[in-house]
Amino acid sequence: AQSVTQLDSQVPVFEEAPVELRCNYSSSVSVYLFWYVQYPNQGLQLLLKYLSGSTLVKGINGFEAEFNKSQTSFHLRKPSVHISDTAEYFCAVAEGIYNQGGKLIFGQGTELSVKP
Amino acid sequence: EAGVAQSPRYKIIEKRQSVAFWCNPISGHATLYWYQQILGQGPKLLIQFQNNGVVDDSQLPKDRFSAERLKGVDSTLKIQPAKLEDSAVYLCASSFRATADEQFFGPGTRLTVL
Repeated sequence: AQSVTQLDSQVPVFEEAPVELRCNYSSSVSVYLFWYVQYPNQGLQLLLKYLSGSTLVKGINGFEAEFNKSQTSFHLRKPSVHISDTAEYFCAVAEGIYNQGGKLIFGQGTELSVKP
Repeated sequence: EAGVAQSPRYKIIEKRQSVAFWCNPISGHATLYWYQQILGQGPKLLIQFQNNGVVDDSQLPKDRFSAERLKGVDSTLKIQPAKLEDSAVYLCASSFRATADEQFFGPGTRLTVL
């Protein structure tokens, strides 16, 4: 069964500092990986996704993530964070595209808190 | 384009009462999902529809939860009777196809069971 582990429940960081949010997954089949962001009292919004191709994926708001198959990781990074990046971040894995997929398995979330 | 709409946004009920949530997906999206998000956890899929057929309801507590998607558009999720552990945010999402397409999420309904 597929699973996702987000290694940090909370990450405090100062404004303009770099940040990395860690995500590891387990899967026995081809994986499709996602990062979603959830601002307070809002639904989830897609930041970026990896389906195939280049292992370095760029998303919205200056975020990027690197797919590492050997380490089964998909860590999210941003070189310089802003106060507005304060939110909950979820890593997710989806079943393969050739079955009836679309089902997302989410990690437990990482709360990013950006301090001035 | 309009996003995924959900109502109500908040609901407080007592245990053993019933409650229903409504979702209107993005126009043209064939796939609709209901997730349960308990405080401090990631969303967990309850049920997935492809048009008006159920694709996956393996994690839906069928003794108390039910869902339908009439005419392949709007959907309702019902809980009867509610338990304290059902307190959570219920998220509806939709995607164009039943693949690894991007899922678009609604704002959710926050349910508190007293």
